[in-house]
Amino acid sequence: AQSVAQPEDQVNVAEGNPLTVKCTYSVSGNPYLFWYVQYPNRGLQFLLKYITGDNLVKGSYGFEAEFNKSQTSFHLKKPSALVSDSALYFCAVRDMGAGSARQLTFGSGTQLTVLP
Amino acid sequence: DAGVIQSPRHEVTEMGQEVTLRCKPISGHDYLFWYRQTMMRGLELLIYFNNNVPIDDSGMPEDRFSAKMPNASFSTLKIQPSEPRDSAVYFCASSARQATEAFFGQGTRLTVV
Repeated sequence: AQSVAQPEDQVNVAEGNPLTVKCTYSVSGNPYLFWYVQYPNRGLQFLLKYITGDNLVKGSYGFEAEFNKSQTSFHLKKPSALVSDSALYFCAVRDMGAGSARQLTFGSGTQLTVLP
Repeated sequence: DAGVIQSPRHEVTEMGQEVTLRCKPISGHDYLFWYRQTMMRGLELLIYFNNNVPIDDSGMPEDRFSAKMPNASFSTLKIQPSEPRDSAVYFCASSARQATEAFFGQGTRLTVV
């Protein structure tokens, strides 16, 4: 079975500082990895994805994420945080291995608060 | 395209009543997902379809829940009878292929009193 862990329920960072939101995953086959953001009373919005290729992927709003196969991690990063980045962030995985169900599984979410 | 469209946006119903949530996926997408979001349990996958066929419904909590996809442009999630613990935000999402991201609707906030 596939799973995603976001070890931090809450991350606080000062505006202008770099931010990291952590994600680790477990799959039996090749992972396809995603980050989503949710603003209050809204649906989830896609930020970026890793399918194959370069381990550092860039996405919307200046966010990027680094795929680390040996550590089974896919941490979300941004060099300089904005107050408007404050939201709930979800990591997700799809196991693309043979015989897997291939559903999209989400982590528990991390609330990011950027302090002015 | 207008994106994934869910209706209603808000639903308040009395315990025991039937509730039907509706979803229109993005045209051309062949995967459709139903999720439930609560503070306690986070985002849970209830069921997903591929080409209108249910692939995995292991997340459906009880027999009171059922989902259908009669055609490529419409899906329903029904709760009968509804209970207060069903109160949550229900999201529908669709994707074009297994390899691509899923796009989410705005959700239906269900309150069962």
